[in-house]
Amino acid sequence: DSGVTQTPKHLITATGQRVTLRCSPRSGDLSVYWYQQSLDQGLQFLIQYYNGEERAKGNILERFSAQQFPDLHSELNLSSLELGDSALYFCASGRGNYGYTFGSGTRLTVV
Amino acid sequence: DAKTTQPPSMDCAEGRAANLPCNHSTISGNEYVYWYRQIHSQGPQYIIHGLKNNETNEMASLIITEDRKSSTLILPHATLRDTAVYYCIVRDNNAGNMLTFGGGTRLMVKP
Repeated sequence: DSGVTQTPKHLITATGQRVTLRCSPRSGDLSVYWYQQSLDQGLQFLIQYYNGEERAKGNILERFSAQQFPDLHSELNLSSLELGDSALYFCASGRGNYGYTFGSGTRLTVV
Repeated sequence: DAKTTQPPSMDCAEGRAANLPCNHSTISGNEYVYWYRQIHSQGPQYIIHGLKNNETNEMASLIITEDRKSSTLILPHATLRDTAVYYCIVRDNNAGNMLTFGGGTRLMVKP
């Protein structure tokens, strides 16, 4: 157990639908990072939050949004889903110079 | 952050040392070298990081050349469970930047 909790582990939904992925960071970590990993693709950075504020944005589609709540958990909202959004979505939390700790991911399948 | 170059794949015999190279010729003075690995579709796992000195922990050793333009991750006694994709990343810790993952090296440990 890395200390970063992601729910749900698996999600199957239809095109056009909206889903919410949840991440609870490791205790004490203020930063949350979201990554997408499509089949045979590398890990693509989506967005970072630090203590409730958006800190950095990567290749995140306009259909996707995220937020970090006062208790530091974060949610990634994916809307108007397309087949190509099927991927593993990882959340990581960070502290100091030890890089990140990743969660086990949410596998999203859009049918 | 500086870009890194890694061989796409490597093989290693079980019980032998696995030496994974990484080139980062444009690294700047305040950028650290990080190594992560991803086993199958699990969340990436932190291995080790360093700035200029060689580092060792319970998982691996990191050798950084004197000019810091390249590094080698050493798994001293590779096991089948070390089969994974290994990512070399450079990051400016002071800037709090995200980790940018490249293609990594797919290490196959064979019996």
